Amino acid sequence: DGGITQSPKYLFRKEGQNVTLSCEQNLNHDAMYWYRQDPGQGLRLIYYSQIVNDFQKGDIAEGYSVSREKKESFPLTVTSAQKNPTAFYLCASSRASRVTNSYNEQFFGPGTRLTVL
Amino acid sequence: AQTVTQSQPEMSVQEAETVTLSCTYDTSENNYYLFWYKQPPSRQMILVIRQEAYKQQNATENRFSVNFQKAAKSFSLKISDSQLGDTAMYFCAFTPFTGNQFYFGTGTSLTVIP
Repeated sequence: DGGITQSPKYLFRKEGQNVTLSCEQNLNHDAMYWYRQDPGQGLRLIYYSQIVNDFQKGDIAEGYSVSREKKESFPLTVTSAQKNPTAFYLCASSRASRVTNSYNEQFFGPGTRLTVL
Repeated sequence: AQTVTQSQPEMSVQEAETVTLSCTYDTSENNYYLFWYKQPPSRQMILVIRQEAYKQQNATENRFSVNFQKAAKSFSLKISDSQLGDTAMYFCAFTPFTGNQFYFGTGTSLTVIP
């Protein structure tokens, strides 16, 4: 089955540590995205990538870094510079080119809950 | 700038009744896509319904339908015969035909009351 996987489901981090959240997709999508979701709030874009070896900052990129070395993978690193990293993180993917009468929506992974101790 | 507004933070509906969730958006694009996503307590985002702006006919998926008013930039979701499993956060989203960013509203928390 095609889809997006995120790991781990729960992650605990001590203050001052960097942690990396995994996101893998087998949908053959060119575009991938990372969102942060805080309690009772919507989705805020952290980073997105439209093609391998290229990515753009979203609205809240400070304290985060990404890489896109393979089409299938888009890991997110939460660095110690992120002052309030406790949140729910969602990874998504979509087609990069629009096709009429076709699926152009984002597909989401199950998310990772990050807690800073 | 593209924005999506959901003005109803919380709503409730009796089981088997009908409820409508509101969404408005702002864009200068002429061709784009609109979506409603559902996020149940499991937090998995699930696509409910999608609409392509160049299609005038409102999209329908079983008990879910939309009222798409392009001139008014409005995209409301109607849920008929509400079921307990419809209890979730609902997000309205927009993406232009050109470009790859998606823009989400802040969500409406829907509770279906038995």
